[in-house]
Amino acid sequence: AQKVTQAQTEISVVEKEDVTLDCVYETRDTTYYLFWYKQPPSGELVFLIRRNSFDEQNEISGRYSWNFQKSTSSFNFTITASQVVDSAVYFCALSEAMGAGGTSYGKLTFGQGTILTVHP
Amino acid sequence: DGGITQSPKYLFRKEGQNVTLSCEQNLNHDAMYWYRQDPGQGLRLIYYSQIVNDFQKGDIAEGYSVSREKKESFPLTVTSAQKNPTAFYLCASSMGWGGYTGELFFGEGSRLTVL
Repeated sequence: AQKVTQAQTEISVVEKEDVTLDCVYETRDTTYYLFWYKQPPSGELVFLIRRNSFDEQNEISGRYSWNFQKSTSSFNFTITASQVVDSAVYFCALSEAMGAGGTSYGKLTFGQGTILTVHP
Repeated sequence: DGGITQSPKYLFRKEGQNVTLSCEQNLNHDAMYWYRQDPGQGLRLIYYSQIVNDFQKGDIAEGYSVSREKKESFPLTVTSAQKNPTAFYLCASSMGWGGYTGELFFGEGSRLTVL
């Protein structure tokens, strides 16, 4: 069975601080996808990134960066120089990959979410 | 604009009543999903449909029913058999087999409260 754990329930920082959101996952699949989604107060989840299990390159997008380490089954998310608009709930998620031949694509297993509050 | 529309945004129900949550998408996506969100538990999959006229149970399907008669629509009925229906319900869609990228597009959710 797949499992995603986000140990940090809530994080509070002051604007311009860097913050890292932790994500640890468990799966028996050899190929899989990892995701981060952001849920602002409006409610809808917004896709941030997808990572394939065979691609361990770290990725940077503006102030966002992701560190994927297969050896520790972790996929951590760092926001540099945080801003008030970054305040949201952030979810890490896992799914089997299309190439695995399964038919359950789109079935994401989500972590519990981390509530990030950035104070001005 | 393309997207997913969920209605109603807020819904109150008396115990013993069935309620139906609407989900419509104009993204031309083949696949649609219903997730339930409870505080501290993340999102859990209720039902999903990869193509019209077909749907599959997710992890917590008991007490819920769905239909997929049109590509654009995937309504969810919360029946009286659902023991703890008070929750935030999110509908999502994605491209189907062959075009799936892993990205789900979500609606703004429906908050159901049982009185």
